[in-house]
Amino acid sequence: TQLLEQSPQFLSIQEGENLTVYCNSSSVFSSLQWYRQEPGEGPVLLVTVVTGGEVKKLKRLTFQFGDARKDSSLHITAAQPGDTGLYLCAGDPGSARQLTFGSGTQLTVLP
Amino acid sequence: GAGVSQSPRYKVAKRGQDVALRCDPISGHVSLFWYQQALGQGPEFLTYFQNEAQLDKSGLPSDRFFAERPEGSVSTLKIQRTQQEDSAVYLCASSSRHLWGYTFGSGTRLTVV
Repeated sequence: TQLLEQSPQFLSIQEGENLTVYCNSSSVFSSLQWYRQEPGEGPVLLVTVVTGGEVKKLKRLTFQFGDARKDSSLHITAAQPGDTGLYLCAGDPGSARQLTFGSGTQLTVLP
Repeated sequence: GAGVSQSPRYKVAKRGQDVALRCDPISGHVSLFWYQQALGQGPEFLTYFQNEAQLDKSGLPSDRFFAERPEGSVSTLKIQRTQQEDSAVYLCASSSRHLWGYTFGSGTRLTVV
């Protein structure tokens, strides 16, 4: 069974601060996806990273896929209250039939 | 449709009752997935369809869980003789190409009392 561990589990910061969320595994994934989920809604895809070492930027969010394709990070610059939500990483082992999700990082950005 | 639609949004069932949860995926999406999400946790895989074929049901927790997608579009997840441990949010997702990720519905919150 492939597991994804996310850290930290909870994060509460002030508006304007920077933060990094980590997603680690002992297994190799063919791709890794990051989602954001708000209460009462399903996860919404933010980005998919495929190549080891790949870096993708989405406005103030920067996603990195580890060289060995076992880990990933999400960095948010100058966080805003609208960034509040549950951030989930999800790995595709290559079958395209199912994703393995991490347990999530609950981010709260205080105004 | 424009998004993945799930119904009902909320379901309260008495222990032992059967329930049916519906998912209407994005039109033309070949792949359909069901996930179960416990409070404060990430979603866990239940089952996967490609068109009408159920290609992976390894995540279904027991034989009380059954899913179908008879015409390759709408899917139904059925839970027989519900138990309290079945209480969770059931998420449906569809995808046209896995590299682009999934589009999730808003989920059905099932509470078994």
